[in-house]
Amino acid sequence: GDSVTQMEGPVTLSEEAFLTINCTYTATGYPSLFWYVQYPGEGLQLLLKATKADDKGSNKGFEATYRKETTSFHLEKGSVQVSDSAVYFCALHSGGYQKVTFGTGTKLQVIP
Amino acid sequence: DGGITQSPKYLFRKEGQNVTLSCEQNLNHDAMYWYRQDPGQGLRLIYYSQIVNDFQKGDIAEGYSVSREKKESFPLTVTSAQKNPTAFYLCASASGSSDTGELFFGEGSRLTVL
Repeated sequence: GDSVTQMEGPVTLSEEAFLTINCTYTATGYPSLFWYVQYPGEGLQLLLKATKADDKGSNKGFEATYRKETTSFHLEKGSVQVSDSAVYFCALHSGGYQKVTFGTGTKLQVIP
Repeated sequence: DGGITQSPKYLFRKEGQNVTLSCEQNLNHDAMYWYRQDPGQGLRLIYYSQIVNDFQKGDIAEGYSVSREKKESFPLTVTSAQKNPTAFYLCASASGSSDTGELFFGEGSRLTVL
């Protein structure tokens, strides 16, 4: 079945540091890939997505590229801010009414 | 504004009681989902519904029940049979016409069993 593996957290960075959160997946066919963000006490919000190989999703300075050859969708940001502190979830969807599969989440803490 | 509304935000329950969590959406989405979130375990799917009057069990349906009598509503009942119900519950929806699987989430309901 489908699965998503994310790097374990928590990740602690200083403000303006470079961020990478690794995500790899296992799926049949050609899934769509997502990063969701969850701020404390809230639901999840879509951060970015990519629907086919080599697509790059981007939003709010975050980027991730759909790499089919390495089955990866790593999240990156060049300069993190304190306001980026949250839990980040990688997810995939294999199409149609198939369920969305989530990773376990990576908590990011950015310190001033 | 379009979105998903979950209520209540916080709920306390005594052991042996059933409780119902509300989820309403005005996005005109066909599909709706309930997830449970526990620390360090990510999101686990409880139930989902693709159309009115139809729903399917997810990965951890035991001790839960749902109904889908209206397109915009998908309430979740946590029954006394659920052994460890204390958790954060998230409702989500998706457009049936979208093949990308993008989910829209509510703010969540935190259930604590006393």
